[in-house]
Amino acid sequence: SQQGEEDPQALSIQEGENATMNCSYKTSINNLQWYRQNSGRGLVHLILIRSNEREKHSGRLRVTLDTSKKSSSLLITASRAADTASYFCASNFGNEKLTFGTGTRLTIIP
Amino acid sequence: GAVVSQHPSRVICKSGTSVKIECRSLDFQATTMFWYRQFPKKSLMLMATSNEGSKATYEQGVEKDKFLINHASLTLSTLTVTSAHPEDSSFYICSADRPKSGSSYEQYFGPGTRLTVT
Repeated sequence: SQQGEEDPQALSIQEGENATMNCSYKTSINNLQWYRQNSGRGLVHLILIRSNEREKHSGRLRVTLDTSKKSSSLLITASRAADTASYFCASNFGNEKLTFGTGTRLTIIP
Repeated sequence: GAVVSQHPSRVICKSGTSVKIECRSLDFQATTMFWYRQFPKKSLMLMATSNEGSKATYEQGVEKDKFLINHASLTLSTLTVTSAHPEDSSFYICSADRPKSGSSYEQYFGPGTRLTVT
């Protein structure tokens, strides 16, 4: 399976702290994307990082990509209660199809 | 931003009946749409790629006679779960490819449909 692995599977932190999630994948990618999913809802696209990029920022989000280790991380700074959700990485393996990681369930404790 | 809708958002049906789920791109045309299935607290698994005007491409292990996909127009794809059984209960999510500059695309996801088969 090409599905990526994410860790941790679940993460609980206090509001205001930073949250870091990691994603590992198995084969070469064109790009890697991060999505958020609130419980029972669809997916919201957060950020895309291309295979030739190493780091990307968007607001309180910071994504890194290490193609040599086939891994990516998503950092959410100054977490808020509204950040409580599941976070998935997803990647393209040379075509339009996305393969999703296993996901991290993030809980922000007010 | 681009919007993709799904209808219905929730459906409960009896075992043995068929259920149709619609996926619409509201403000763009999508030649390609995707159907995913998600079990509770699990990741999304791609079921099939829906191509406007041609047959869908199913992922390995997905029964094409059970999950009928029709992409009849550039803004509508439908997934019909035929002879549904309780094990078909799941969250079904569609996405649509919106063309960007050059030959690149960006996928936009629908809000999902919760199917419960009793």
